[in-house]
Formats: sequence, structure tokens, C-alpha cells
Amino acid sequence: RKEVEQDPGPFNVPEGATVAFNCTYSNSASQSFFWYRQDCRKEPKLLMSVYSSGNEDGRFTAQLNRASQYISLLIRDSKLSDSATYLCVVLRRNQFYFGTGTSLTVIP
Amino acid sequence: EPEVTQTPSHQVTQMGQEVILRCVPISNHLYFYWYRQILGQKVEFLVSFYNNEISEKSEIFDDQFSVERPDGSNFTLKIRSTKLEDSAMYFCASSGAYEQYFGPGTRLTVT
Repeated sequence: RKEVEQDPGPFNVPEGATVAFNCTYSNSASQSFFWYRQDCRKEPKLLMSVYSSGNEDGRFTAQLNRASQYISLLIRDSKLSDSATYLCVVLRRNQFYFGTGTSLTVIP
Repeated sequence: EPEVTQTPSHQVTQMGQEVILRCVPISNHLYFYWYRQILGQKVEFLVSFYNNEISEKSEIFDDQFSVERPDGSNFTLKIRSTKLEDSAMYFCASSGAYEQYFGPGTRLTVT
């Protein structure tokens, strides 16, 4: 079973829409959780860490459900500039595990 | 804002040659990592490095690979005898507490 699983999409949404991505992880010993964003042929950039209590940064909200071992990312009021691949990342024993990423395209 | 830097941005080499990819992590970070990403595929962990030694490595990181921190700033990945399938983007990353930051990558092309 894969360490981190994501729906690869693609998600094509109109500008202004709300979109949600989910991610599941297989190992309950996983310690920390993150969402990264990756533009084509660029490096992953940290979007936000995911805390047990849930956290929000502007239009982005991340949630963690340890019991069900899933992480979510909600993007409100989508902008054209949000078009990218969103990577779910899990830290366990000093090793970061990446999902395959979910592709988002925001359409004018 | 401090950032991870990598050189070169693009390296072309012939099969069987040795390559060294260089990284300068963020200065007060203690953990260093190498990843690779084959075009169109996911980011794959290669190795993590802490306190001047490897702390974790993946199955990909076989005897052809080695890492070094030759001085207080550089962190290098050496591939001893490159194969065609080593063609990929190689990312270096560093972290202080637990959030990690990536360099812009080196695109390695093996011909």
C-alpha cells in the first residue's frame, strides 16, 4: 500500500469556485503533514503545514483527521494563479513521503 | 528570505560518467535531503542527512549514489556511473524544525 495517496485529478474549476482535495496516509505513526504546491518544472513550494486542530491561511484551509488518516485542503474563491499541482506530504521518522499530486486548473 | 540554492541548473552527461550535484542549504538548517523527480512522475525521496551522516535512505539510493557535506555550507550528491534512467530533476531540500524548503533543482540528462 502506498504511503500517501491522492486523487491525481485533473480538477478543472472556474474562477471563484471552491475546490477540495483529499489525501490519505497509510502509517498511523506519521508525525507531521503538509501541503506543497508545484508548478510545472519547478520545485515544490510549501503551501502550509497541517495541524491537528485545522488551520487556515487566507483562502486556504487544511484539516487533519488522524483517526481516519486523511488530510484535506480547501481552496476558496479560486484564482487563475492557483493552477498548479498540489502535493500531500507526510513526515515519518525523518523521511518525507510525497503523494503523486493533484492537478488543478482554474479556468477564466 | 533565505533559500536553498543548487548548481548547476542543468547537467548533461554521458552514460557511465560521474556527476556531482551541488546544493547550499539554508544556513541554520540541520537536516538535508535529496529527492528526484522523473518527468511526469512524483517526487521520490533519495536520502536524508543529519549531523554529518545519512539518517535515512530509500531503495533508489544504491551504491551508485553518495552524499557529502564537504564544508560548512555545501551538500553534494554524487552519482558514480550514470545510467539513462538517472535522467530526472534532482531537488535538494533542507529543514530546521520540520518544515522543509526546496532548491530550484538540477535537471540531469544522461545520454
